[in-house]
Amino acid sequence: SQQGEEDPQALSIQEGENATMNCSYKTSINNLQWYRQNSGRGLVHLILIRSNEREKHSGRLRVTLDTSKKSSSLLITASRAADTASYFCATDASGTYKYIFGTGTRLKVLA
Amino acid sequence: EPEVTQTPSHQVTQMGQEVILRCVPISNHLYFYWYRQILGQKVEFLVSFYNNEISEKSEIFDDQFSVERPDGSNFTLKIRSTKLEDSAMYFCATREGQASGNTIYFGEGSWLTVV
Repeated sequence: SQQGEEDPQALSIQEGENATMNCSYKTSINNLQWYRQNSGRGLVHLILIRSNEREKHSGRLRVTLDTSKKSSSLLITASRAADTASYFCATDASGTYKYIFGTGTRLKVLA
Repeated sequence: EPEVTQTPSHQVTQMGQEVILRCVPISNHLYFYWYRQILGQKVEFLVSFYNNEISEKSEIFDDQFSVERPDGSNFTLKIRSTKLEDSAMYFCATREGQASGNTIYFGEGSWLTVV
C-alpha cells in the first residue's frame, strides 16, 4: 500500500537556521502536498506540487519533487520559533483522489 | 483562506453511544473527506464522498461508520456504537473538484473521547 514516510522523525534547530524534511512514497502519484500541524490543531496546507513539477516556492518554503526517486523535500529557510510544528507530506496515488499521509516530522525551532 | 468548519470541537461520550460529527464544507467544493488521527499517531484516511455517495473508503471505515450530506450543506460522520479505540481527532476535509492539483482543505478537527 502507498505510504509516505518522512525523515527525520524529529528535528531540533536554532532560530535562523534552515530546516529540511524529506518524504518518500511508494507508488506513482498525481500530486504531493505538504501540511503543518500545531499540537492538537488542524492541518494547515502549505504547498501542493504536481507530479510534472520539480520545484515550488512559497515565501520561506521550498519544495522539491523527484518522481524517479519517489521523494520530496520541504525546506524552511530562516526558521522562526513559530515554525515549531509537525510537518506531513500527503500523496494521492494515480487513479485515486484520496490523500495518504506520511508519519510526519516534528520540528522544534529554539529561540 | 477558505475555511472548513467542524462541530463539535470536543465531545466526550460513553462507550456504545452514537456520535455524529458535523462539517460545513467550503461552499463550491464537491469532494468531501473524513480523516482521523489517534493521539500521537499519523493522519489516517477514512472515507471520501462525491455526488452523494462514497467514492472510496479505508478498512477502518467499517459498518459502524456512515456518512451523509443530509441537507446539501452539512457533511456528517456517524459512529453508531462507539468503542474506546474510536477516541481520536476526526478531521473533515474538502476539495473543489476533480482536476489534478486541487488542494484539500482541512477543518480544525473534532476531538472525540470515548470513556
